Amino acid sequence: DIQMTQSPSTLSASVGDRVTITCRASQSIGLWMAWYQQKPGKAPKLLIQRASNLESGVPSTFSGSGSGTDFTLTISSLQPDDLATYYCQQYQTNSFTFGQGTKLEIK
Amino acid sequence: QVQLRESGPGLVKPSETLSLTCVVSGASISYGHYWAWVRQPPGKGLEWIGSINYGGTTYYTSSLESRVTISVDPSKNQFSLKLTSVTSADTAVYYCAKTISSSRGISDYWGQGTLVTVSS
Repeated sequence: DIQMTQSPSTLSASVGDRVTITCRASQSIGLWMAWYQQKPGKAPKLLIQRASNLESGVPSTFSGSGSGTDFTLTISSLQPDDLATYYCQQYQTNSFTFGQGTKLEIK
Repeated sequence: QVQLRESGPGLVKPSETLSLTCVVSGASISYGHYWAWVRQPPGKGLEWIGSINYGGTTYYTSSLESRVTISVDPSKNQFSLKLTSVTSADTAVYYCAKTISSSRGISDYWGQGTLVTVSS
């Protein structure tokens, strides 16, 4: 199975900061990467699919980039509502593996 | 608006079978998407379990494939999960979800999740 490694595991930032989360796949997955946001006690919310395609209704402060094995999720200006854990998920193969998550804390 | 709701026992004994059902509203399960199960142990990350389409074609994660069965009942617009021989490691919040049209495993609508505890 393809392994997904996210970094960092925890991130503390201030409102207005630019924040970047990375995800590395153990083998090339092309553009078959999705990103989710999960707030405490809630189900995950799909933010981005196909590496950079923003889902409808997702603020434009979120963006995704990358291809092959290295991907990033960027929040251009951190807002208090962005407090959450973020997960990447590959869909190159039918194992659909998730990264271990990045917990974003607001300073 | 698509809505999904999980139901089933919140407590299962070790070695027994975990059974959950997901009722879908606001969309027909026969429309053509896949329908998935994802779980999350307390305080841990997400694990994709498997998915199914209305015709019954299934995909499972390799680590659970020997113990898991996902089935679909289009007449009731619902799908189900069975996980056999459970242990404490199967304690988790179980989510059902609808997948996007271009993938069997990326989900855009989710249920609220249901906690299943494995304990005697």
